Amino acid sequence: EPEVTQTPSHQVTQMGQEVILRCVPISNHLYFYWYRQILGQKVEFLVSFYNNEISEKSEIFDDQFSVERPDGSNFTLKIRSTKLEDSAMYFCASSSDRRTNEKLFFGSGTQLSVL
Amino acid sequence: AQSVAQPEDQVNVAEGNPLTVKCTYSVSGNPYLFWYVQYPNRGLQFLLKYITGDNLVKGSYGFEAEFNKSQTSFHLKKPSALVSDSALYFCAVRGTWGNNRLAFGKGNQVVVIP
Repeated sequence: EPEVTQTPSHQVTQMGQEVILRCVPISNHLYFYWYRQILGQKVEFLVSFYNNEISEKSEIFDDQFSVERPDGSNFTLKIRSTKLEDSAMYFCASSSDRRTNEKLFFGSGTQLSVL
Repeated sequence: AQSVAQPEDQVNVAEGNPLTVKCTYSVSGNPYLFWYVQYPNRGLQFLLKYITGDNLVKGSYGFEAEFNKSQTSFHLKKPSALVSDSALYFCAVRGTWGNNRLAFGKGNQVVVIP
């Protein structure tokens, strides 16, 4: 089965630094997502992206966050100035359709630790 | 807004015994319900979904789930657990009204004891 790949698997950064989390969605998928899970808490929706623009974002996705599809294959999440509370596992996902009954394909995640 | 509750942190079961992982949901409109599984160092993998029709849904690896509208539940079941079923299981819901986002629970760690 095709896979979504995420790099790096672990990222350690200092508070206030910028980080970029990278994802390569499945090649024929058109809809892309970022989710995150803080340790012990629910998996939370951050943002969805289609046709080179954000289609939906959550309350978590403030001005410190941005997403980009720079080259037609990668899908990135940037956090401009990281905070301690940004420490979490970040999951990228993609789907071929945005119908509400369509399943998502997830990457294995990037564990972000902000010190 | 849609939400999911997975009340147990960890489910321990002996190999060969039935496995149940509980999930209740809240949503506007009709629910689309999903179960995903995460094995170590892997992404969340789709197991099964309920859209409409038969309340008992069959999925991958011998898993099934039962949709119960009156109890707003979608419990995951497997008649005979294997050690290889040890993983993290996530329930998720989308609604037919409102936003399009998929709402997850916090996940349940399943440990199957040989």
